[in-house]
Amino acid sequence: DAMVIQNPRYQVTQFGKPVTLSCSQTLNHNVMYWYQQKSSQAPKLLFHYYDKDFNNEADTPDNFQSRRPNTSFCFLDIRSPGLGDAAMYLCATSGSVTYNEQFFGPGTRLTVL
Amino acid sequence: AQKVTQAQTEISVVEKEDVTLDCVYETRDTTYYLFWYKQPPSGELVFLIRRNSFDEQNEISGRYSWNFQKSTSSFNFTITASQVVDSAVYFCALSTDTGGFKTIFGAGTRLFVKA
Repeated sequence: DAMVIQNPRYQVTQFGKPVTLSCSQTLNHNVMYWYQQKSSQAPKLLFHYYDKDFNNEADTPDNFQSRRPNTSFCFLDIRSPGLGDAAMYLCATSGSVTYNEQFFGPGTRLTVL
Repeated sequence: AQKVTQAQTEISVVEKEDVTLDCVYETRDTTYYLFWYKQPPSGELVFLIRRNSFDEQNEISGRYSWNFQKSTSSFNFTITASQVVDSAVYFCALSTDTGGFKTIFGAGTRLFVKA
């Protein structure tokens, strides 16, 4: 089945210790997204890629970076996690037009100690 | 400005009851798209429906139905004869041609269906 996979499902890191979350897709979609979702809140878009073209949201902290080495994979790097970065991180993909629905992975729950 | 409002934070119903989840949106764009997503306890959001601004036809899919009314800027979602498996958080979302790939999500409505 075509799908969006996120690893790990749960990640525990220490305050200030860099962490990388990964996402892969078998849908061959052009667009990949990273969202941050805190408890009982809506997903908040951090950035998205259209192919290799990176698009950062204006309010995404510099602490968050992303890499997309190929169509299938996308990584979220948090350079110095703070307590406020503890959240669910959702990866999604979509086709190449803006009104396509998004397909989401199961998320990675990040805990910062 | 674009905005999606889901005024109902939590709804609790008993199985087999009908329930309507409200969604009100704001946009100045004439071309826009509305979505509903379901987020079960497992975490991943699941796409349910998309409607574009030029298509005000209501839609029914099994026990699910959607009522799109441009006059009131609303896109409400009704579950008929609710089941325990419908328990989830439901998000209404909006995207526009001028907004590119950014989707604006509402705050979500948590639905509890009790057996």
